[in-house]
Amino acid sequence: EAQVTQNPRYLITVTGKKLTVTCSQNMNHEYMSWYRQDPGLGLRQIYYSMNVEVTDKGDVPEGYKVSRKEKRNFPLILESPSPNQTSLYFCASLPATGWAEAFFGQGTRLTVV
Amino acid sequence: EDQVTQSPEALRLQEGESSSLNCSYTVSGLRGLFWYRQDPGKGPEFLFTLYSAGEEKEKERLKATLTKKESFLHITAPKPEDSATYLCAVRPNSGNTPLVFGKGTRLSVIA
Repeated sequence: EAQVTQNPRYLITVTGKKLTVTCSQNMNHEYMSWYRQDPGLGLRQIYYSMNVEVTDKGDVPEGYKVSRKEKRNFPLILESPSPNQTSLYFCASLPATGWAEAFFGQGTRLTVV
Repeated sequence: EDQVTQSPEALRLQEGESSSLNCSYTVSGLRGLFWYRQDPGKGPEFLFTLYSAGEEKEKERLKATLTKKESFLHITAPKPEDSATYLCAVRPNSGNTPLVFGKGTRLSVIA
């Protein structure tokens, strides 16, 4: 089954404690992306990657890092989380060519206290 | 700059009351326009892809249409289970961002 898997689904952490949210896809997609979703603001892109070792900033990259060492994985790293990073996070993937839709993970609800 | 605007932001309907959601876009060449449904706390769920002006797609009570500047999602005789946020996204032919999303329309259908 084609899918994007995020872990964990829920996370409560304290300010400044480094954390990583994992994302993995099994469709051999070149393009992967991280979004955060906050009430009234829609999906905002944090970082995206067009292929292995190629990453770029989206609209709201401050306070986040990513890496793309393998095609299937695209982890989101918060080196020093702050309360304003409390949000619902989604990972997505889609192929670089063609017209196929994007697939989304189930979401990670992060709370930073 | 590629841009997607959805309206209205929120829509409240009585069960059976048909209506339409709008997605206006400006893009440097359209590869595809996508509609997604999103339930609270869950990932967006794919509904339709439209590729060219004049195209229409249907699924149960939903029908999506596309012109050169906008897309409509028509909801016929909605039921409470159609309540969700509906997201529109475009995929440009070129540029750095493969997908550009609108902010969504939050639909509530009241029994």
